[in-house]
Amino acid sequence: DAKTTQPTSMDCAEGRAANLPCNHSTISGNEYVYWYRQIHSQGPQYIIHGLKNNETNEMASLIITEDRKSSTLILPHATLRDTAVYYCIVRARGTTGANSKLTFGKGITLSVRP
Amino acid sequence: ETGVTQSPTHLIKTRGQQVTLRCSSQSGHNTVSWYQQALGQGPQFIFQYYREEENGRGNFPPRFSGLQFPNYSSELNVNALELDDSALYLCASSWGGGGSYEQYFGPGTRLTVT
Repeated sequence: DAKTTQPTSMDCAEGRAANLPCNHSTISGNEYVYWYRQIHSQGPQYIIHGLKNNETNEMASLIITEDRKSSTLILPHATLRDTAVYYCIVRARGTTGANSKLTFGKGITLSVRP
Repeated sequence: ETGVTQSPTHLIKTRGQQVTLRCSSQSGHNTVSWYQQALGQGPQFIFQYYREEENGRGNFPPRFSGLQFPNYSSELNVNALELDDSALYLCASSWGGGGSYEQYFGPGTRLTVT
C-alpha cells in the first residue's frame, strides 16, 4: 500500500502557482519524498525529490515540513501542459531490487484551466 | 543520450495467448523495472532486472517472466493471458539495482486482451 495520501483532484488557473499537498505521516528517517507526474497515457515523468530540505529545480519546488510528515509540490507558473496526475511517493534511497520499487497511489489529478 | 523506449506501442491479444514486450533502457543505465498500470490506477511493480538477473519481484504470478540482455535491454513475457492482464505496461530505467534517485519511464505498451 502507498505510504502517502493525496487529495483526489484540484484545479488552478493558467499562469498561477499550483500547490499540490501530500501527507506521509509514517515516513522513516531514511526515506525520501519523490514526485512524479503522468500526462494522459504516457509514462510517469520524474519531477523532483527531497529528504528534509526544500528543493528547487527547473520544473518545480518541493517544500517539506520540519517534521517531514507532509510536503507540497509547487509549480510556480502552471501551464495547460501541466495538466496531469501527480504522484507523491516515499522511498528509501540506496535500496535495490524490490525495495527500490516505486509504490504509486492514485495520485492527484491537476487540471489547469485557461 | 537516448531515452527509454518500448515496443510495440499497442497490442491486442486473445485470452490464453502469450505476449512479449520490449524495453530499451536509457544510455548508461543497467537496471530495468517493469510496472503494470490498470485503467484508473497507479502503476504496480512487477519485477526488476539488474545485471541480467531478476533482482526483486512484486505480487505477480510466475506466468509473468522477463529477461535482460547484455546491452541492458529487457523483455517482459506474459503467458496464458487473462482478461485482467489488459493494462499499460511500463518499464523504468535506472542505475545500480534501482538505488539511484530517479527511475526514467518509457512511454508504455498498451495491451488489450479479448
